[in-house]
Amino acid sequence: GESVGLHLPTLSVQEGDNSIINCAYSNSASDYFIWYKQESGKGPQFIIDIRSNMDKRQGQRVTVLLNKTVKHLSLQIAATQPGDSAVYFCAENTHDYKLSFGAGTTVTVRA
Amino acid sequence: NAGVTQTPKFQVLKTGQSMTLQCAQDMNHNSMYWYRQDPGMGLRLIYYSASEGTTDKGEVPNGYNVSRLNKREFSLRLESAAPSQTSVYFCASRTGAQETQYFGPGTRLLVL
Repeated sequence: GESVGLHLPTLSVQEGDNSIINCAYSNSASDYFIWYKQESGKGPQFIIDIRSNMDKRQGQRVTVLLNKTVKHLSLQIAATQPGDSAVYFCAENTHDYKLSFGAGTTVTVRA
Repeated sequence: NAGVTQTPKFQVLKTGQSMTLQCAQDMNHNSMYWYRQDPGMGLRLIYYSASEGTTDKGEVPNGYNVSRLNKREFSLRLESAAPSQTSVYFCASRTGAQETQYFGPGTRLLVL
């Protein structure tokens, strides 16, 4: 079946460094992707989104890159801070009001 | 704006008991969703309501029922709880125009 998945379940990064979180998807018809951040004990929080007619989108300290050729999505966090420690999920829109989520990457920021 | 709210925050049930999880949103969103999240896994869709008056099954609907009470409220009912339903349950909503879903804080359910 079609699914969204993340390359690595965990990522450890030094405070101040840049983080890159990767996601592979298999539905070539998907036209919309979202990154969510989930802190411990809380619900997923919207970070940034991108449509399939774009390759890159920037937010505050975050950048999402989309490579449709290889069906790859990444989230870059600049100057990672302790508050960035969380689980990050990518999700793709399946055209019928539904999102399909990957399993998540746990990011730990080292002081 | 409270966004999406869920009650209760925590619940312990015995096998066979029933309960209803409540969800409300104050963003005037058309669509609402119920997900479950198990350790090490992403969110799996249980049921959704694309608009007031409609409900549809998601990926894992067995053992659950839903009611879209009005535009604001969408409840999830477990008629006869089973240990396999131990999970964290999230409600979400979205407008019709945008695909982004906004999530509530979750309900942590333990079925003994």
